Amino acid sequence: GAVVSQHPSWVICKSGTSVKIECRSLDFQATTMFWYRQFPKQSLMLMATSNEGSKATYEQGVEKDKFLINHASLTLSTLTVTSAHPEDSSFYICSAILPTGDDYGYTFGSGTRLTVV
Amino acid sequence: AQSVTQLDSHVSVSEGTPVLLRCNYSSSYSPSLFWYVQHPNKGLQLLLKYTSAATLVKGINGFEAEFKKSETSFHLTKPSAHMSDAAEYFCVVTLGAGNKLTFGGGTRVLVKP
Repeated sequence: GAVVSQHPSWVICKSGTSVKIECRSLDFQATTMFWYRQFPKQSLMLMATSNEGSKATYEQGVEKDKFLINHASLTLSTLTVTSAHPEDSSFYICSAILPTGDDYGYTFGSGTRLTVV
Repeated sequence: AQSVTQLDSHVSVSEGTPVLLRCNYSSSYSPSLFWYVQHPNKGLQLLLKYTSAATLVKGINGFEAEFKKSETSFHLTKPSAHMSDAAEYFCVVTLGAGNKLTFGGGTRVLVKP
């Protein structure tokens, strides 16, 4: 079935540095991807909707200059956390809409655990 | 607008006994509803979905859910819990293909031997 590959699965970085998380759709084209953030023992919160070839749409309260989203191809979306701080430590998950003709739904990456020290 | 409420943040069951996870939704239009499971530090796996076809939906691993429009509910059940069912479960609503998902708060399931 349609799979989304997310890398890295975990990353530790120093405060003030930037971290890039990649989300690739395997064997299908993902025109739309979603980025979520999940704090410990909490639900997923949508951060932004990423559309191939256009600017991402950010949810209210999400800083677009801090969380840079790029969706330059139909198989790759990236989330860059810029000037990371400890409060950015979280679990980040991407999701893609399954292609038309496939079983309607959404597929999720395996997540990235970001720890900022 | 749409919203999802999972009525129990934690559910504890004994292995071999039934599991019931409750979910109520609010939606301006006919929604699509999903149940996902998440194991620790993992992504989400789809258990089942309702997209305006049969109201009783059967999913993977013995789970099923019934869409009840009159009660705006989509409760998830399994007749006999297994130790491997211990995980976080999310009820999710969307207005349709291509629309963003709205997640419930999650229900953590503990299975006792």
